[in-house]
Amino acid sequence: NAGVTQTPKFQVLKTGQSMTLQCAQDMNHEYMSWYRQDPGMGLRLIHYSVGAGITDQGEVPNGYNVSRSTTEDFPLRLLSAAPSQTSVYFCASSSLSGGAYNEQFFGPGTRLTVL
Amino acid sequence: AQSVTQPDIHITVSEGASLELRCNYSYGATPYLFWYVQSPGQGLQLLLKYFSGDTLVQGIKGFEAEFKRSQSSFNLRKPSVHWSDAAEYFCAVGASNSGYSTLTFGKGTMLLVSP
Repeated sequence: NAGVTQTPKFQVLKTGQSMTLQCAQDMNHEYMSWYRQDPGMGLRLIHYSVGAGITDQGEVPNGYNVSRSTTEDFPLRLLSAAPSQTSVYFCASSSLSGGAYNEQFFGPGTRLTVL
Repeated sequence: AQSVTQPDIHITVSEGASLELRCNYSYGATPYLFWYVQSPGQGLQLLLKYFSGDTLVQGIKGFEAEFKRSQSSFNLRKPSVHWSDAAEYFCAVGASNSGYSTLTFGKGTMLLVSP
């Protein structure tokens, strides 16, 4: 099992550019989520999904779009990047079998810089 | 809405000394509580979790945490710290939503281990 994978590992964008951060998991997890991590802020939830075709907003959704067409993939889209979106982005997944107590498994992160 | 407070931004501990990292949470119902560790440049790894039962929970790498409802606390402890424990530690509370849990993280405590 590869677990949760994220690509790219590093990315530099110019203001106004768009890009998609990729996240994939091979554990057949229903729940997937995106967080951003900023110094001194911990991790903040951007969007999450409880299954294919179902997404919802987290704490800081503005400027980000998501979709979930398959169980395995949960891409995060920045339509028009802004310097405030400079951050480290983590994708996580968990099984919903047995309820809400399950561990979330994290990917290695994508470090994004917006100039 | 739930929240997590980690009062210590940095803690320095001598190798071999004991460790306690503080975590206070705010949540209206019985919380799901987690401690994660993040090594430099890595994703997050679950150390331990609590929902119900024995209020002292054991985790990986020799860590334990004690849930105290009266104090709304879930402090992480280790009797003897090793240099490899130097990392950032995050406490998180999960809000249960019909079978899944969205996590709210504290801002983290950076542990430095001195020789």
